[in-house]
Amino acid sequence: SQQGEEDPQALSIQEGENATMNCSYKTSINNLQWYRQNSGRGLVHLILIRSNEREKHSGRLRVTLDTSKKSSSLLITASRAADTASYFCAYGANSKLTFGKGITLSVRP
Amino acid sequence: GAGVSQSPSNKVTEKGKDVELRCDPISGHTALYWYRQSLGQGLEFLIYFQGNSAPDKSGLPSDRFSAERTGGSVSTLTIQRTQQEDSAVYLCASSLTGERTQYFGPGTRLLVL
Repeated sequence: SQQGEEDPQALSIQEGENATMNCSYKTSINNLQWYRQNSGRGLVHLILIRSNEREKHSGRLRVTLDTSKKSSSLLITASRAADTASYFCAYGANSKLTFGKGITLSVRP
Repeated sequence: GAGVSQSPSNKVTEKGKDVELRCDPISGHTALYWYRQSLGQGLEFLIYFQGNSAPDKSGLPSDRFSAERTGGSVSTLTIQRTQQEDSAVYLCASSLTGERTQYFGPGTRLLVL
């Protein structure tokens, strides 16, 4: 299987804390993306990092990419209850993306 | 502007019946993808359309599944002789040519009894 791994599978934190989620992949890629999904419906794109980038920021989101280790992390700072959702990494070398199984984040008010 | 829309939102059918799921991509998006997501699982790629090129059907799980895209816009995913294991959320996404970001519809939740 080309599918990578995400960890942890589930994460529960207090509002205001930071949440770190990790993704590992097996194939060569030219980009890696993170998506969020609420209530099992459509996914929303959060951030994209290219294979020649090591770190990228967007608001409270920080994503890193280590191509030598084939891994990425997503950090959400100062979490809010509204951040409660499932988070998926997705990666590929062309237009097709491979999605991980997702990480369930619960942020307690 | 309008996002990706899918219909119906929910579909309940009996085993053995055929179903059609519809996806309206964002206007101007040349790429269209279908995925399947079973309960608590990640997304399983089904099929990919890019412009007028032959679709990539490598993810279709069996010959009961087919999809078409008419006029480079609306797409229909058809499942023939549905089975209980076909129960899942079917998600459609679209993107611009050369754009890696995919924009997802809300999905169709299919339940096969």
